[in-house]
Amino acid sequence: NFMLTQPHSVSESPGKTVTISCTGSSGSIASNFVQWYQQRPGSVPTTVIFEDNQRPSGVPDRFSGSIDSSSNSASLTISGLKTEDEADYYCQSYDSNNHVVFGGGTKLTVL
Amino acid sequence: QLQLQESGPGLVKHSETLSLTCTVSGGSISIIHYYWGWIRQPPGKGLEWIGSIYYSGTTYYNPSLKSRVTISVDTSKNQFSLKLRSVTAADTAVYYCARHPPQLHWGQGTLVTVSS
Repeated sequence: NFMLTQPHSVSESPGKTVTISCTGSSGSIASNFVQWYQQRPGSVPTTVIFEDNQRPSGVPDRFSGSIDSSSNSASLTISGLKTEDEADYYCQSYDSNNHVVFGGGTKLTVL
Repeated sequence: QLQLQESGPGLVKHSETLSLTCTVSGGSISIIHYYWGWIRQPPGKGLEWIGSIYYSGTTYYNPSLKSRVTISVDTSKNQFSLKLRSVTAADTAVYYCARHPPQLHWGQGTLVTVSS
């Protein structure tokens, strides 16, 4: 079973840069696109990155995504942190059977 | 603008069947390339994919739920549906419908509580 592993939580100060990792359990994470979702309490998840590194319109360029094949991981980087970025972040991809796979989620605290 | 809306009972009794429908507006469910899926999120926990269906009826299920899940599609109504059998308290969650790939385009979600 293909799984995605994220850190449970990360914290950083306003104005700083934070990176959230998403590591694939097997195969190549580069085989299928990775998406990142932001979920604030009580809200529906929204896409901040799709197709590894693409930003939907309306998402600030402080958000960026990347793939590192050497570590079989994807990363979401948020620069110039704002208190409004405090949320849960989920990575998502697909396995070889077209099944949707989610990471366990990372709680970002901006303090 | 594509919109998805979940509907169905918010309360289901233990051991009974949870049934939800997702109505798609602003676009056809019969468009090739896209899949239509169900995802759930128990209170305070992460996202779990339940399964997805193509307009032709081809389905993909999470192996951990496959024995209890049926997803169907009604192209004439632009809807797809979820049935989850033999529910327990562990099935209490917000249930979302969504379109994919690559990213998920989400409905607003509906809370389903399993009562004992």
